[in-house]
Amino acid sequence: SQQGEEDPQALSIQEGENATMNCSYKTSINNLQWYRQNSGRGLVHLILIRSNEREKHSGRLRVTLDTSKKSSSLLITASRAADTASYFCATDAGGAQKLVFGQGTRLTINP
Amino acid sequence: AAGVIQSPRHLIKEKRETATLKCYPIPRHDTVYWYQQGPGQDPQFLISFYEKMQSDKGSIPDRFSAQQFSDYHSELNMSSLELGDSALYFCASSLATGRPLHFGNGTRLTVT
Repeated sequence: SQQGEEDPQALSIQEGENATMNCSYKTSINNLQWYRQNSGRGLVHLILIRSNEREKHSGRLRVTLDTSKKSSSLLITASRAADTASYFCATDAGGAQKLVFGQGTRLTINP
Repeated sequence: AAGVIQSPRHLIKEKRETATLKCYPIPRHDTVYWYQQGPGQDPQFLISFYEKMQSDKGSIPDRFSAQQFSDYHSELNMSSLELGDSALYFCASSLATGRPLHFGNGTRLTVT
């Protein structure tokens, strides 16, 4: 990946459990975004966190950002089968009009 | 609400042929991005345009070129196609720098 790694690469949990995905990046950023992708479809924006923010919530999503460690985490609470998808973090690579994606975590929610 | 429209959805070409992919961004979005995504891979940034001018370039082969027209639609032109060019190609647009990207459903290019 141009910007960093996501951890884990694949995650399989039972419906109702929480899912946590981590992302690391290499360069300084203005913001970090999380996207979701269903197989073969376009990416859908989930949440954006700015470099001066440490935590952000949106519905069942919680994102944290640690700029000192250059890492972020996405927590999905009370997972549903419909949450099955790949999740990518992306950074603005220091302000350019160029969003750089990590390798993604493939999340499977088992009913 | 209007979304990013890409055409065609599927394209099959032979080696050494050319291909043109089209993208119609969301109205009033000032930035257009192109990404390439191989099977099981993350989207790789190719190129972006801000107000019809090329603004940033990524890992785009010299065989590829892109432009944005006066009506804001964009085209990705790919020549001398290789088997390795088979991938999903996404276009995205954003309202402004630093704002979320809105992706189209992609063009699946298969080179045989």
